[in-house]
Amino acid sequence: GENVEQHPSTLSVQEGDSAVIKCTYSDSASNYFPWYKQELGKGPQLIIDIRSNVGEKKDQRIAVTLNKTAKHFSLHITETQPEDSAVYFCAAEGTYKYIFGTGTRLKVLA
Amino acid sequence: EAGVAQSPRYKIIEKRQSVAFWCNPISGHATLYWYQQILGQGPKLLIQFQNNGVVDDSQLPKDRFSAERLKGVDSTLKIQPAKLEDSAVYLCASSYRQGLGSPLHFGNGTRLTVT
Repeated sequence: GENVEQHPSTLSVQEGDSAVIKCTYSDSASNYFPWYKQELGKGPQLIIDIRSNVGEKKDQRIAVTLNKTAKHFSLHITETQPEDSAVYFCAAEGTYKYIFGTGTRLKVLA
Repeated sequence: EAGVAQSPRYKIIEKRQSVAFWCNPISGHATLYWYQQILGQGPKLLIQFQNNGVVDDSQLPKDRFSAERLKGVDSTLKIQPAKLEDSAVYLCASSYRQGLGSPLHFGNGTRLTVT
């Protein structure tokens, strides 16, 4: 069946450094790739997304890149801050169905 | 706009008891999803509604789980009887439409503990 692999499962960075989270999907029909941030006790919140006709998208300190040929997409956070500490999930939307990655716990060390 | 509302926030029950969760999606959102999130894992789809019709319930354990969205707005998810392995956070999400890159908006979930 379709799946989304996400790496790493945990990531610790110093405040001000960059963080990169990578995902690989299997469903060739996937055409929409959102990223969610989940803080403790809350539901996932959409932080950025990218569609299959775009290779890169940026929103302030956050950027997402997509390589459809390799079925890879990545989240890049620059100048990390303590409030970026959370669990991040990637997802791929195929035929009316979202498949989520297993999550990355990001810790930003002050 | 108001977000996705879920209640209760927490529930503790004994195994073999029943429990129900409620969700009110964002106004105007046609598609509603129930996800199960076990600690340390990503959300897993249980059931997806388009208006009041079921689109996908392939991963819903139908011998114990049921869900309805009778008027195409709010929804309830029920577990009867509960098992220990049902301990998880149950997330409700909604989207404006099905597919075509319509993002999901999640509620804060109901944390269920089965003892």
